[in-house]
Amino acid sequence: ETGVTQSPTHLIKTRGQQVTLRCSSQSGHNTVSWYQQALGQGPQFIFQYYREEENGRGNFPPRFSGLQFPNYSSELNVNALELDDSALYLCASSSLQRHTEAFFGQGTRLTVV
Amino acid sequence: DQQVKQNSPSLSVQEGRISILNCDYTNSMFDYFLWYKKYPAEGPTFLISISSIKDKNEDGRFTVFLNKSAKHLSLHIVPSQPGDSAVYFCAASSNAGGTSYGKLTFGQGTILTVHP
Repeated sequence: ETGVTQSPTHLIKTRGQQVTLRCSSQSGHNTVSWYQQALGQGPQFIFQYYREEENGRGNFPPRFSGLQFPNYSSELNVNALELDDSALYLCASSSLQRHTEAFFGQGTRLTVV
Repeated sequence: DQQVKQNSPSLSVQEGRISILNCDYTNSMFDYFLWYKKYPAEGPTFLISISSIKDKNEDGRFTVFLNKSAKHLSLHIVPSQPGDSAVYFCAASSNAGGTSYGKLTFGQGTILTVHP
């Protein structure tokens, strides 16, 4: 049991719409990272949040944005959805202070039609 | 630019035999490596990790070997069991500047099938 939960598990959106995905981190972890996993690929780092601030970003456009709350939970927002945004979105919690394994949630499967 | 590569998309092994999954990386700044297992409709599950100051780490049936000069790591599963059938991802991170923990770069994954 990792303790990282994501919601919703599945959703379908129309191209051009906006979507918000949610994640609660594991107890004791102060850092949340978001990943996008396209079909047949490994997860790709979107960005990381620590103490409610963005702490690093991968190669994703500004229409991908996020928030972290005081309880370390997090949101991923995607504006102006494109068909290529269809993917599994994974949230992972970890500790910023040292190398530890990151614990992943079950993911949100987003389909853009 | 694929900094972490798993060149074998799939591997098929008989139950009880050894499974060897390979991973290569190009970024010399990577100093921590992890293996994750993923079942369909689930998030990746952490298996085992290794720091760049070591060349081997064992945990039960799982052993990870790191060859820094070759920028290569491998995961050995002995003995393999049908329940090990899953997608295995190699991942790496770098503590550049002390603020990079938890930012993982993943390989494409290897589908392991263990036959009874």
